[in-house]
Amino acid sequence: RKEVEQDPGPFNVPEGATVAFNCTYSNSASQSFFWYRQDCRKEPKLLMSVYSSGNEDGRFTAQLNRASQYISLLIRDSKLSDSATYLCVVNKLQAGKLIFGQGTELSVKP
Amino acid sequence: DTEVTQTPKHLVMGMTNKKSLKCEQHMGHRAMYWYKQKAKKPPELMFVYSYEKLSINESVPSRFSPECPNSSLLNLHLHALQPEDSALYLCASSRGTSGNTGELFFGEGSRLTVL
Repeated sequence: RKEVEQDPGPFNVPEGATVAFNCTYSNSASQSFFWYRQDCRKEPKLLMSVYSSGNEDGRFTAQLNRASQYISLLIRDSKLSDSATYLCVVNKLQAGKLIFGQGTELSVKP
Repeated sequence: DTEVTQTPKHLVMGMTNKKSLKCEQHMGHRAMYWYKQKAKKPPELMFVYSYEKLSINESVPSRFSPECPNSSLLNLHLHALQPEDSALYLCASSRGTSGNTGELFFGEGSRLTVL
């Protein structure tokens, strides 16, 4: 089993749609969780950190369920500019590093 | 604009060449990283430097040789590479170390082609 698993993509949605991405992680000792966004041929950039209480930033909502070892990202009112690959990232404290999921590709169409 | 600067942006080299990738950050971060990324794949960790010391080597072949001359600079020396080493090489830095890193700040990457 992969340490961080994400929904397979690609997700093709129309503008204005709501889309949700899921991610599961295998290490129950993980403490830090992130969603990164990577545009085509660009570097990854932090989209949101994910907190136990859940957090929201405009159209983006991230949730963490420690019991189920599950992280989600909800995007409301999708824009064309949201088209990118979304990477779920989890820390592996014992190993001193961050683990990246495979990424989920989102394509928002007019 | 990214605060982690990588040079060169593009590099084409033959299998017998020796070249270096360079990375610089001036955010006072104490951890620096090299990642390799192939198309449609996530970044794959290669090396981690923490307080200028190599703390993680993910069993990377010796044809890749990292160097951290000071807290702001990170180099990746390349020698006798193979065509399958062609990829985007990303440098990153973070404030924290040892897995409790917080946000990773990535450079724009060096796109390497090995002929």
